[in-house]
Amino acid sequence: SQKIEQNSEALNIQEGKTATLTCNYTNYSPAYLQWYRQDPGRGPVFLLLIRENEKEKRKERLKVTFDTTLKQSLFHITASQPADSATYLCALDVKRGFKTIFGAGTRLFVKA
Amino acid sequence: EAQVTQNPRYLITVTGKKLTVTCSQNMNHEYMSWYRQDPGLGLRQIYYSMNVEVTDKGDVPEGYKVSRKEKRNFPLILESPSPNQTSLYFCASRSFTSGSYNEQFFGPGTRLTVL
Repeated sequence: SQKIEQNSEALNIQEGKTATLTCNYTNYSPAYLQWYRQDPGRGPVFLLLIRENEKEKRKERLKVTFDTTLKQSLFHITASQPADSATYLCALDVKRGFKTIFGAGTRLFVKA
Repeated sequence: EAQVTQNPRYLITVTGKKLTVTCSQNMNHEYMSWYRQDPGLGLRQIYYSMNVEVTDKGDVPEGYKVSRKEKRNFPLILESPSPNQTSLYFCASRSFTSGSYNEQFFGPGTRLTVL
């Protein structure tokens, strides 16, 4: 069956450390993979998109890797801050981007 | 300001009473989509539209209808709502350039309760 899984429901880290979130999938061949941030009661906000032929993408303190052999994406937030506390969603774009499959999300708590 | 708007933001209704949730985007995006979000299940795609008059089912289309008569609008219609359609609904849009899709822009959400 097709699945997309994000590691643990919650991740607690100390301010200044690097947060690493995992997204694993099975039986999909995604064209792209996206990461979103969602705050309680709000719509998801786009962070990064990486295409199937790309290995790594960076944007300020954010980095995402995409391994289509392992069927895994890692999302890193370096020098984390309490303001980074939110739920982070992984999303696969399949069918050339027409359909999007979201993971259930990982809640990140950054303690001061 | 580039944005996706949804109305209403909150709605309480009763079983069987037809309702429409509107979605509008001002970015001239070709692609629009509806999702529902339920605790523990994440976002699930209901319907999507690649352009005007072109729509297709997502993973959970049962009980919903959509139409795309204009590029900027993509209403979600519940002909006969049931309690299992109580959920948080999001509309999203995205552009298509150079042969591939870009990021999705989400609306603020509509919290629907069906009694």
